[in-house]
Amino acid sequence: KAGVTQTPRYLIKTRGQQVTLSCSPISGHRSVSWYQQTPGQGLQFLFEYFSETQRNKGNFPGRFSGRQFSNSRSEMNVSTLELGDSALYLCASSLGDTAYEQYFGPGTRLTVT
Amino acid sequence: KNEVEQSPQNLTAQEGEFITINCSYSVGISALHWLQQHPGGGIVSLFMLSSGKKKHGRLIATINIQEKHSSLHITASHPRDSAVYICARGSNYKLTFGKGTLLTVNP
Repeated sequence: KAGVTQTPRYLIKTRGQQVTLSCSPISGHRSVSWYQQTPGQGLQFLFEYFSETQRNKGNFPGRFSGRQFSNSRSEMNVSTLELGDSALYLCASSLGDTAYEQYFGPGTRLTVT
Repeated sequence: KNEVEQSPQNLTAQEGEFITINCSYSVGISALHWLQQHPGGGIVSLFMLSSGKKKHGRLIATINIQEKHSSLHITASHPRDSAVYICARGSNYKLTFGKGTLLTVNP
């Protein structure tokens, strides 16, 4: 079974631009979660989707948004990029909620200049 | 105070030593997750616990729900165990993470 895939793996953007990151979960997994990892703040929860519905959202500004498609693939979008948005963005998929094992993708490394 | 506290933050061991990493959380959970992250690498799930004890090879994870505490043990540690170990509290459709323990095992 293929693992969780994320595209692109690396991205360089300038301040003010927007970016869209993609996550394809393991086949059969309907839950996709997104996390931001920085050296200063560690891993922080962004949002979680299940069957195209957002079930929870972390404490991030409205510039961060996401969606999930009917095939469970998910995208997250960051508008009006700031230098502080530079981070590793990870997605994880599972069969249900956090009572199930989480499978992480390799991440997208975003650098904002 | 963080919802999830890990200790120690850094740990250096000699090959073959028994290692323990501790995790405490302040509110209830649906599950407690132990994760491993190698430098520059992705995150791998090691254990998911809601009660008792689990064992995979040289790794053992335990949880005490009443005390809101979990431990990860590594027996007969090896340099390839060098990584960051992260515990995460699962609840309300999200994981809340500890700051991680950087483990270095020297040959």
